[in-house]
Amino acid sequence: EAQVTQNPRYLITVTGKKLTVTCSQNMNHEYMSWYRQDPGLGLRQIYYSMNVEVTDKGDVPEGYKVSRKEKRNFPLILESPSPNQTSLYFCASSPGIGGNTEAFFGQGTRLTVV
Amino acid sequence: GEDVEQSLFLSVREGDSSVINCTYTDSSSTYLYWYKQEPGAGLQLLTYIFSNMDMKQDQRLTVLLNKKDKHLSLRIADTQTGDSAIYFCAEGSNDYKLSFGAGTTVTVRA
Repeated sequence: EAQVTQNPRYLITVTGKKLTVTCSQNMNHEYMSWYRQDPGLGLRQIYYSMNVEVTDKGDVPEGYKVSRKEKRNFPLILESPSPNQTSLYFCASSPGIGGNTEAFFGQGTRLTVV
Repeated sequence: GEDVEQSLFLSVREGDSSVINCTYTDSSSTYLYWYKQEPGAGLQLLTYIFSNMDMKQDQRLTVLLNKKDKHLSLRIADTQTGDSAIYFCAEGSNDYKLSFGAGTTVTVRA
């Protein structure tokens, strides 16, 4: 089954404790991205990657890191989480951008930083 | 960055048509999308339209695009309870970025 898998689904952590949210896709997609979803703000792109070892900042990259060592994986790293990073995070992948290339989203990771 | 705006809430009676509106500011937008998010789930692509099209119909869904006014709408005919969800308008251009609106929460009442 074609899917994007994020782990964990729920996470509560304390300020300053490094964490990683994993994302994996099994569709051999080149393009992957991370979004955060906040009430009234919709989805805002954090980082994206057009291929292995190619990553770039989205609209709200501060406080986040990513890596793309393999095509299927695109982990999101919070080196020193803060309460303003409490949010719902989505990973997405697609074979490209635009037109009939559908973006596939993971189920989401709800992160709470206390 | 790009700005995409949509109203936050819509309540509609079962069987009626729903119309969700969206405006965007980036005149270089090439593709415009509608995504649906059901409770506890990720987003699923509902439909999309190229910027050189005025209208696209797909079963109960009709997308209208007014490029001059940068206005996009999604009409859902014969709205059902399963249509209750958050609907996101998004625009994309050739720089590999999708910009999303805040989402419209559609509530279908019996």
